[in-house]
Amino acid sequence: NAGVMQNPRHLVRRRGQEARLRCSPMKGHSHVYWYRQLPEEGLKFMVYLQKENIIDESGMPKERFSAEFPKEGPSILRIQQVVRGDSAAYFCASSPTARRTDTQYFGPGTRLTVL
Amino acid sequence: LAKTTQPISMDSYEGQEVNITCSHNNIATNDYITWYQQFPSQGPRFIIQGYKTKVTNEVASLFIPADRKSSTLSLPRVSLSDTAVYYCLVVPAKYSGGGADGLTFGKGTHLIIQP
Repeated sequence: NAGVMQNPRHLVRRRGQEARLRCSPMKGHSHVYWYRQLPEEGLKFMVYLQKENIIDESGMPKERFSAEFPKEGPSILRIQQVVRGDSAAYFCASSPTARRTDTQYFGPGTRLTVL
Repeated sequence: LAKTTQPISMDSYEGQEVNITCSHNNIATNDYITWYQQFPSQGPRFIIQGYKTKVTNEVASLFIPADRKSSTLSLPRVSLSDTAVYYCLVVPAKYSGGGADGLTFGKGTHLIIQP
């Protein structure tokens, strides 16, 4: 059973460009969480999605960031007009149900570098 | 959500037992204590979760005193490959969808195992 997959693993963008990060949850999981990790920091929650629905985006910046989890295909985290401060590791995690105590299975992350 | 406090770093040697203590003074009645491990350039990985007394799995043990205001993760006979950051989290036993749905990570404990 394949784990959570993220691509690309590394992404380099220039200021002002768009970044698209993809996450395929574990098979059978319909709950996806996105986190951002700055160097030497813990992970910060950004958004929680179920299939076709954004349930909680309280941790996501109001501007330039958006997320989706379509009926078919991976979840996408989109960052428009990237700035240097967006450089970070972005992780997604999936879980089988909406129970908060469910184990979250994390992907390997996408490391975004903004030049 | 209860705040957690754990040591920033710890050192030990191969073959030793390592205990990492986490304090969570404001833990609520329906909160669980959960530990994750993160290696460099990887996503976090679930280690163990408990509510009270003692929980043991193939990787670690978790000790929780009666007042639940702290917990101790115990790693028996560590090896070099146990060098990682260990996060103590407090997770409510409820369903996502009520806001602040993601896991709350602090800075964790950076455990370094030496030969």
